[in-house]
Amino acid sequence: AQKVTQAQTEISVVEKEDVTLDCVYETRDTTYYLFWYKQPPSGELVFLIRRNSFDEQNEISGRYSWNFQKSTSSFNFTITASQVVDSAVYFCALSEARITTGGGNKLTFGTGTQLKVEL
Amino acid sequence: DAGVTQSPTHLIKTRGQQVTLRCSPKSGHDTVSWYQQALGQGPQFIFQYYEEEERQRGNFPDRFSGHQFPNYSSELNVNALLLGDSALYLCASSLADEGQSSYNEQFFGPGTRLTVL
Repeated sequence: AQKVTQAQTEISVVEKEDVTLDCVYETRDTTYYLFWYKQPPSGELVFLIRRNSFDEQNEISGRYSWNFQKSTSSFNFTITASQVVDSAVYFCALSEARITTGGGNKLTFGTGTQLKVEL
Repeated sequence: DAGVTQSPTHLIKTRGQQVTLRCSPKSGHDTVSWYQQALGQGPQFIFQYYEEEERQRGNFPDRFSGHQFPNYSSELNVNALLLGDSALYLCASSLADEGQSSYNEQFFGPGTRLTVL
């Protein structure tokens, strides 16, 4: 069975601070995908990043960066110089590789981390 | 190009009633997945439809059923509503995966917030 743990329920920072959101996952598959989604108060999930299990390179996109470490089953997300607009709930998710073709993969989500960025 | 759309936006029902939620996938997508997100929780996978058939199902009772139409749109039906069914119901669409090692991104709609009184 797959499981995603986001131990940080809520994080509050002051604008311009750096913040790291933790994600630990469990899976028995050797091929899998990891994701981060952002959910603003409007409710719609916004895709941020996808990594596959064979690509452990860290990735940077503007103020966002991701650290994937298979040895510790972690996929952490860092926001540099946080802004008020970053305030949202962030979800880490896991998907196994499909066994058959057709359709798509289901996502297993963590419980989310509420990030509050204040002035 | 319209993204994933869901209707209605909000819905209030009483226990024991039945409800139908609707989803139109992003243009060009053929696979629709439904997720339930209870307050303060992450989304949980309900089921997925492809080629008008249920292809995968999460740990949800038979009270939850669905349908996919030839135009790829989908409905989620919940019978005999319980208070615990109150949640945000999210629809996600994607293009069917080409093979075992591929993955096509899921695009989520804004959700339908269901309140059961």
